[in-house]
Amino acid sequence: GENVEQHPSTLSVQEGDSAVIKCTYSDSASNYFPWYKQELGKGPQLIIDIRSNVGEKKDQRIAVTLNKTAKHFSLHITETQPEDSAVYFCAASSSGGTSYGKLTFGQGTILTVHP
Amino acid sequence: DVKVTQSSRYLVKRTGEKVFLECVQDMDHENMFWYRQDPGLGLRLIYFSYDVKMKEKGDIPEGYSVSREKKERFSLILESASTNQTSMYLCASNPGDRHNSPLHFGNGTRLTVT
Repeated sequence: GENVEQHPSTLSVQEGDSAVIKCTYSDSASNYFPWYKQELGKGPQLIIDIRSNVGEKKDQRIAVTLNKTAKHFSLHITETQPEDSAVYFCAASSSGGTSYGKLTFGQGTILTVHP
Repeated sequence: DVKVTQSSRYLVKRTGEKVFLECVQDMDHENMFWYRQDPGLGLRLIYFSYDVKMKEKGDIPEGYSVSREKKERFSLILESASTNQTSMYLCASNPGDRHNSPLHFGNGTRLTVT
């Protein structure tokens, strides 16, 4: 089955700096790569996703890049703010033609942005 | 806005008890999921359901069962709770009308088994 490795497990940055979280996956058939943000006391929420026919996607201060050859994808957050502090999860899915493509999650990264 | 509601925020149960975790979604989603979240392990899929009365095992189904009698409700059952089932449990749903729809999560139930 799919295996997703996420690094680092914790990341501490100063407000205004950039943050990068990296994930690798094992199943070359995976074709969907979402990122979720989990704030304290809440469930994870999708912040951005990318599909295998795209190499990069950007939404304001966040961007995701995908390298299918190397089987890794990354989340980039620029101009970090204290409200970006949360746990971030990457995931990979091979839908196999179904809508309930099974997501395999990474281990999570605790991001702390210091004012 | 999609709402996924988990009936309990915190639960404390004794070893051997039968435990029910309830989840309700209000957006008529076909697919519903139960995940377990543990530090350093991320989210692991226990069971999912793509239709009423239908269920599929996820990665860690041992010690759990599920029930989906109505489209909006998906229950996770611990037949005989054990201490290694102490964890955060997350319910999620998504529509079945397109591939890889985003998951909508509830806020979780933190279960402690003593």
